[in-house]
Amino acid sequence: SQQGEEDPQALSIQEGENATMNCSYKTSINNLQWYRQNSGRGLVHLILIRSNEREKHSGRLRVTLDTSKKSSSLLITASRAADTASYFCAPRNQFYFGTGTSLTVIP
Amino acid sequence: GAVVSQHPSRVICKSGTSVKIECRSLDFQATTMFWYRQFPKKSLMLMATSNEGSKATYEQGVEKDKFLINHASLTLSTLTVTSAHPEDSSFYICSAQDKRGEGDTQYFGPGTRLTVL
Repeated sequence: SQQGEEDPQALSIQEGENATMNCSYKTSINNLQWYRQNSGRGLVHLILIRSNEREKHSGRLRVTLDTSKKSSSLLITASRAADTASYFCAPRNQFYFGTGTSLTVIP
Repeated sequence: GAVVSQHPSRVICKSGTSVKIECRSLDFQATTMFWYRQFPKKSLMLMATSNEGSKATYEQGVEKDKFLINHASLTLSTLTVTSAHPEDSSFYICSAQDKRGEGDTQYFGPGTRLTVL
């Protein structure tokens, strides 16, 4: 399968806490991208990490990549209610998305 | 980031009619656009890859005669659901590939909710 598999499927945290979600994949990749989808809307590109990078930051987002384990993680620090959404990972320039992690941030 | 629009955002139609959905890249040229279908609480399913000036490439199991795709310009792709039936009701999302940025990032439209009565 070329799709990413996100874990956990659902996550509920209090505002201000950190949220970590994971992604595993099976094929070799050139890069991996994380996306966010608010309820019933299109996907928004968050961050791309290349296969030769181990960690990347963008604002409150931190992404790690372990190509030996074929896994990636997305950390959202100091979460806000507006971060409530579904988060998807997409290996390579991928067109196969998993079911995502549904994040709920409680105010 | 780059902007992709879809029109209409929501459409309700009677069974047997055809519905056209437009996908536009507003501030960049997209030689490649993608059409997805998403069911409630399920993953996006790639339906087809649309290349400007050539025929679309359909994924396995997607009926090309039912889902007509046209990519006549570098900023516009259309998806026509022909003779729509209730089982075609879904959320259709397009994306456009921006080769200017890193990694050929896809930018997604806001989606079109199709309801077939």
